Amino acid sequence: KAGVTQTPRYLIKTRGQQVTLSCSPISGHRSVSWYQQTPGQGLQFLFEYFSETQRNKGNFPGRFSGRQFSNSRSEMNVSTLELGDSALYLCASSATGLAGGPGTDTQYFGPGTRLTVL
Amino acid sequence: AQSVTQPDIHITVSEGASLELRCNYSYGATPYLFWYVQSPGQGLQLLLKYFSGDTLVQGIKGFEAEFKRSQSSFNLRKPSVHWSDAAEYFCAVGHNFGNEKLTFGTGTRLTIIP
Repeated sequence: KAGVTQTPRYLIKTRGQQVTLSCSPISGHRSVSWYQQTPGQGLQFLFEYFSETQRNKGNFPGRFSGRQFSNSRSEMNVSTLELGDSALYLCASSATGLAGGPGTDTQYFGPGTRLTVL
Repeated sequence: AQSVTQPDIHITVSEGASLELRCNYSYGATPYLFWYVQSPGQGLQLLLKYFSGDTLVQGIKGFEAEFKRSQSSFNLRKPSVHWSDAAEYFCAVGHNFGNEKLTFGTGTRLTIIP
């Protein structure tokens, strides 16, 4: 099976612009989560989508949004970019099977999108 | 609130030496625990996970971890490290009941010296 893929791998934007990142989960996986990784804050949960619905959300401003399509692919959008949004954005997918509850599923991570805001 | 603590920011070990990376968690219910490894510029790769059952968990690349409920710990071990093990290691706790969020520790950077 192919792993989680993220596009683009690298992105450079300027302050005030918006950006869209894409994530394709492992085939058959229905849950997609997004994380932001920075040297100062570490790995922080952004949000999680399951069956095209946002199921969980972290503590990020409304400038950060996402969506999930019927094929489970997900996009993340950041509007009005700030310098502090420079980070590695990681996407993870899981099967979210019923046995043991959804939270017991392992999340598999993609390689990330490195966003630099100038 | 749930949290994960990795007390060692940076560890240096000699190639061939044993390794133990510490992880302590705070979580009200039964924890689901993970160790991930991240090489420079890469995403996270799962090393091993603990959901229930045997408290000694075997993972990939010769790693193992032991869940100790009494100490709220899930330390990662390897009997003999290789230069390719140099990376950053993250401990994480997963949440159940429909919450897919992982809460990560701050990571431990491992340096291997010849």
